[in-house]
Amino acid sequence: QVQLQESGPGLVKPSQTLSLTCTVSGGSISSGSYYWSWIRQPAGKGLEWIGRIYTSGSTNYNPSLKSRVTISVDTSKNQFSLKLSSVTAADTAVYYCAVGYKKRFDYWGQGTLVTVSS
Amino acid sequence: QSALTQPPSASGSPGQSVTISCTGTSSDVGGYNYVSWYQQHPGKAPKLMIYEVSKRPSGVPDRFSGSKSGNTASLTVSGLQAEDEADYYCSSYAGSNNFVFGTGTKVTVL
Repeated sequence: QVQLQESGPGLVKPSQTLSLTCTVSGGSISSGSYYWSWIRQPAGKGLEWIGRIYTSGSTNYNPSLKSRVTISVDTSKNQFSLKLSSVTAADTAVYYCAVGYKKRFDYWGQGTLVTVSS
Repeated sequence: QSALTQPPSASGSPGQSVTISCTGTSSDVGGYNYVSWYQQHPGKAPKLMIYEVSKRPSGVPDRFSGSKSGNTASLTVSGLQAEDEADYYCSSYAGSNNFVFGTGTKVTVL
């Protein structure tokens, strides 16, 4: 069973870029027809899909975040990454990476809290 | 797009059944058979419980079932157990390679 682990700074200053990495173990990120996604959850609130990258490298983003999001993959390290630019306090959340087949999210990382504050 | 609408809370006694609704539009829930449900215990990552409206991943008890009618999907938990107490979120494909989640429902086992 594939396992995912998020990593990155827990504190980001307003207007800067949030950068997170998801390391995949138990399987190759470049094999199979899987989508690798980022999803976030503000404290006490619901889930929000941020975007995903396919094994081919093609990406899809939430329209409400599209102008600020970039998701990329590094197959040599079996990792995929999230960059979210021009962050504000509203971007403070637990960020999850997840993998899924077709249109679902089968396995999730444990999540990492990112706080936007000066 | 707007989040799918779920009731904030639901409850039932052990052994009883509870049903959670997830209401969207014809552009998401009603337009595709790609509704999934996730269980989230406090401080933990969500877990896939139902996909494609009514299919259960391997390892998920058959006490969990899903259905859809029009723009509303439902998750039913039968034979409630203490470990079923958690937050539940629905998700739907919303077209154009986009996804939307529900507002979440807290299930309490009385």
